[in-house]
Amino acid sequence: AQSVTQLDSQVPVFEEAPVELRCNYSSSVSVYLFWYVQYPNQGLQLLLKYLSGSTLVESINGFEAEFNKSQTSFHLRKPSVHISDTAEYFCASLGGSYIPTFGRGTSLIVHP
Amino acid sequence: DAGITQSPRYKITETGRQVTLMCHQTWSHSYMFWYRQDLGHGLRLIYYSAAADITDKGEVPDGYVVSRSKTENFPLTLESATRSQTSVYFCASSEGQRTQPQHFGDGTRLSIL
Repeated sequence: AQSVTQLDSQVPVFEEAPVELRCNYSSSVSVYLFWYVQYPNQGLQLLLKYLSGSTLVESINGFEAEFNKSQTSFHLRKPSVHISDTAEYFCASLGGSYIPTFGRGTSLIVHP
Repeated sequence: DAGITQSPRYKITETGRQVTLMCHQTWSHSYMFWYRQDLGHGLRLIYYSAAADITDKGEVPDGYVVSRSKTENFPLTLESATRSQTSVYFCASSEGQRTQPQHFGDGTRLSIL
């Protein structure tokens, strides 16, 4: 069975500060990992994904995530956040089936 | 326009009523999913479908019914709505490959009085 744990339900941060949203997964098979973002009153949108190859993956808006197999982690980072990054972020894994396993989400709150 | 659309976006109904939430996708994705999102619970899978006429239960199926007579449509019906089913409902689709992400609609906010 797979599981995804997002260690923080809420992360408050000031604008232009760095941020890390933590995600740990467990799986008995190899997994593909995803980060989704949900803005208010919208559905989830794919932010970035790790399939294979380089363990560092980047999104077009400055986020990056690093796959760490030994620590079973896929933490999301951004060196300098903007007010517009305020949203809910979900980590998800896909292992032996086509049904993803989602974490419970982390609410990123960026203060001016 | 290509995408996944949910209707209605907002719905208020009373306990005991039947209500159907619609989901339509234009990509011909094989997999479709229904989730509910509640504070403190994240996303919970209600039902999913691997193809037309193939559906299966997720984590919280009780009180819900789905059908998939056409690949592009996946309606969710609450046969006798209860207050505990007040939630935001999301439909999603995917190509059915593990390397591909899900695509989500913008949700239906359902309130049951």
